[in-house]
Amino acid sequence: AAGVIQSPRHLIKEKRETATLKCYPIPRHDTVYWYQQGPGQDPQFLISFYEKMQSDKGSIPDRFSAQQFSDYHSELNMSSLELGDSALYFCASSLKKGLTYEQYFGPGTRLTVT
Amino acid sequence: DAKTTQPNSMESNEEEPVHLPCNHSTISGTDYIHWYRQLPSQGPEYVIHGLTSNVNNRMASLAIAEDRKSSTLILHRATLRDAAVYYCILIPNSNSGYALNFGKGTSLLVTP
Repeated sequence: AAGVIQSPRHLIKEKRETATLKCYPIPRHDTVYWYQQGPGQDPQFLISFYEKMQSDKGSIPDRFSAQQFSDYHSELNMSSLELGDSALYFCASSLKKGLTYEQYFGPGTRLTVT
Repeated sequence: DAKTTQPNSMESNEEEPVHLPCNHSTISGTDYIHWYRQLPSQGPEYVIHGLTSNVNNRMASLAIAEDRKSSTLILHRATLRDAAVYYCILIPNSNSGYALNFGKGTSLLVTP
């Protein structure tokens, strides 16, 4: 079965640079979520989209923005990168119209800021 | 938001049952109890969820206390592959989807 695809899997950037992370949800899933997991930390919710509209917002820095496109893929844009942004970024998708709301996670993008 | 409390870590022998507890004394009547786990170097994955009744699926069982203030995830026969961090998460019954508040989970160690 198709899973959530994230690209790139690894990314190395320098401080003050920008980065774009991409997420391709499971086909027919209508909701996308972004999570950040710092070293030794638990995943923290950043932002979510339902049917291309932002539906919920967590602890996402103002330097970050995200959107969901007409084909339901999503991109997380990160500007003015800081050392503390080094983390694993997970994307998850779900089918809101389903009964269980299970979220399916991608393998993550490991961002290293030097 | 209602909070959950789990032990930091637990240990089990391979092929033995594991009972992972979760306390959620401030749970509201419409909160669903979800369990996710995160294997090393992987994204979290859904395990099971329930509202009031006990639930079983191919991965695990979920036992929910009658007053719903606690629940227990049961792995019937632990394998080495079950070594992971297990998260108990309360999800409000909402039509707008939900964000997972992972909190501090239980790190399960399975020994051969």
